[in-house]
Amino acid sequence: NAGVTQTPKFQVLKTGQSMTLQCAQDMNHEYMSWYRQDPGMGLRLIHYSVGAGITDQGEVPNGYNVSRSTTEDFPLRLLSAAPSQTSVYFCASSFRGREQFFGPGTRLTVL
Amino acid sequence: ELKVEQNPLFLSMQEGKNYTIYCNYSTTSDRLYWYRQDPGKSLESLFVLLSNGAVKQEGRLMASLDTKARLSTLHITAAVHDLSATYFCAVDFNTGNQFYFGTGTSLTVIP
Repeated sequence: NAGVTQTPKFQVLKTGQSMTLQCAQDMNHEYMSWYRQDPGMGLRLIHYSVGAGITDQGEVPNGYNVSRSTTEDFPLRLLSAAPSQTSVYFCASSFRGREQFFGPGTRLTVL
Repeated sequence: ELKVEQNPLFLSMQEGKNYTIYCNYSTTSDRLYWYRQDPGKSLESLFVLLSNGAVKQEGRLMASLDTKARLSTLHITAAVHDLSATYFCAVDFNTGNQFYFGTGTSLTVIP
């Protein structure tokens, strides 16, 4: 099993550009989540999904969109990048009520 | 408000000493998770605590959960350098698998 994979590992964007962060898991987990990690703030939930076709907002959803067309994939779209979105982004997946498995992260810089 | 607080935020301890990290949360939950993060790396699951009074141990780490006090502890026994990392607790507030993370405790074990 590859577990949770994320691409790209690093990305630099200019303000106003859009992009998609990819996340995939091969563990047949129904739950998938996107977090951002900023210094001194722990991890904050952006969006999550409880199954294919079902998504919902987390704590900090503004400026991000998600979709879940398959169990395996959960891409995160930045609509118009802003410097405040400079962060490390983690995707995670789990079975209900169980621990989350995290991807390796994407380090994003917005200039 | 759904909130998870950890203390201390920073902990420097000598090898061989014992210490405890505390995780308080704001409202009812019986699902709490501990993760470890090494610098520049992703998060790794350490413990899953799913009921009041739950205690889990792995090597020099022991985690416990008191749901009535809304408190979990991560106890470190006879610290060694390899335990240097950032430790996070996360709580599922029974809102549909939304995990709320503490800000993390950065542990440095000094030889």
